[in-house]
Amino acid sequence: TQLLEQSPQFLSIQEGENLTVYCNSSSVFSSLQWYRQEPGEGPVLLVTVVTGGEVKKLKRLTFQFGDARKDSSLHITAAQPGDTGLYLCAGTNSNTGKLIFGQGTTLQVKP
Amino acid sequence: KAGVTQTPRYLIKTRGQQVTLSCSPISGHRSVSWYQQTPGQGLQFLFEYFSETQRNKGNFPGRFSGRQFSNSRSEMNVSTLELGDSALYLCASSLWGANVLTFGAGSRLTVL
Repeated sequence: TQLLEQSPQFLSIQEGENLTVYCNSSSVFSSLQWYRQEPGEGPVLLVTVVTGGEVKKLKRLTFQFGDARKDSSLHITAAQPGDTGLYLCAGTNSNTGKLIFGQGTTLQVKP
Repeated sequence: KAGVTQTPRYLIKTRGQQVTLSCSPISGHRSVSWYQQTPGQGLQFLFEYFSETQRNKGNFPGRFSGRQFSNSRSEMNVSTLELGDSALYLCASSLWGANVLTFGAGSRLTVL
């Protein structure tokens, strides 16, 4: 069974701190996406990375796809309370084309 | 353009009952996927429909079924509800083969 493991599962930090969320697998993915889900809502796509080693920035969020396309990270600089939510990574298996979701990282940023 | 619309947003059922959830995709999106989200299991894939045909199916029992209509709207049905079926059911639409999903807000099902 293909797995995407996210770490940490829970993170509670103070406003202004930096953090990194990791998404790891033993499988190769043709692309990897990050979503954010706020309470009472569905996940919203933040970014898609497709090339090994690719780095994308979205304001204070930096996303990186591993060179071997088996892992990814999300780094948030100077976190704000508005960043609070569930962060999900999702990879497209390069052989089957199926989309697999990680278990998610719940982030709480305290003012 | 309008997003993905799911109805109802909240519902409470008792064990043994059945439930039908509805999803209207973004205009132009013909692929609809359904997911079950629980705190313990995360997002679990249920099934995907395109052109009124089920294209992919996850590892759920036969009590979970779905269908898609000619206007791309989709419904999922859960029969003989169990306590463990309590979850947020999310629908997502996309262009076929794109794997870039736009999710609805979900239908929160509580089984008592």
